Amino acid sequence: DVKVTQSSRYLVKRTGEKVFLECVQDMDHENMFWYRQDPGLGLRLIYFSYDVKMKEKGDIPEGYSVSREKKERFSLILESASTNQTSMYLCASSLTGGVYGYTFGSGTRLTVV
Amino acid sequence: RKEVEQDPGPFNVPEGATVAFNCTYSNSASQSFFWYRQDCRKEPKLLMSVYSSGNEDGRFTAQLNRASQYISLLIRDSKLSDSATYLCVVNRKGGGNTPLVFGKGTRLSVIA
Repeated sequence: DVKVTQSSRYLVKRTGEKVFLECVQDMDHENMFWYRQDPGLGLRLIYFSYDVKMKEKGDIPEGYSVSREKKERFSLILESASTNQTSMYLCASSLTGGVYGYTFGSGTRLTVV
Repeated sequence: RKEVEQDPGPFNVPEGATVAFNCTYSNSASQSFFWYRQDCRKEPKLLMSVYSSGNEDGRFTAQLNRASQYISLLIRDSKLSDSATYLCVVNRKGGGNTPLVFGKGTRLSVIA
């Protein structure tokens, strides 16, 4: 089974801090994605990557950046955390084409205080 | 029109009931379709892909109507363990490598 691992299950950070969320997948998937999930808003795409060192903006990239230096690792960076970035962050990966759907990590619940 | 639209529910059904969820999508060029299941405070997990000819997996049947841009999921003989939120998912536009768009989900509670 594909495994997608997110480094932290729960995280509490202060406003203005730089926050790193790490995601690692172990099945050689080309594609990786970062979503956030909020009540009433569903999953919203932040950034995605189809290859190493490649990144594309999703629907809500403002306040975020990403890094993909290795195929198996996709990092989400909150440049200066704000309270409206309190959310559940979900990383996912897929094979090229995504025809088999995505596999998600177990999520990081981030609280910014 | 929203990219993917679902009835939010909740659907409260007794054990053994048959329940159907519907979903509409806005982009006629979409080519990949899925149903995901999400348990409370857990990540979404793939339930089944949806094919043009319709497909079945045990008690679950998925249908796709491209002309109406409509997807359905039928659950027969509901179990308590089916209680979850069901997410309708389509790819954003035609072609292979485009991101998936998730509906907000339909919540199902199966009651003993």
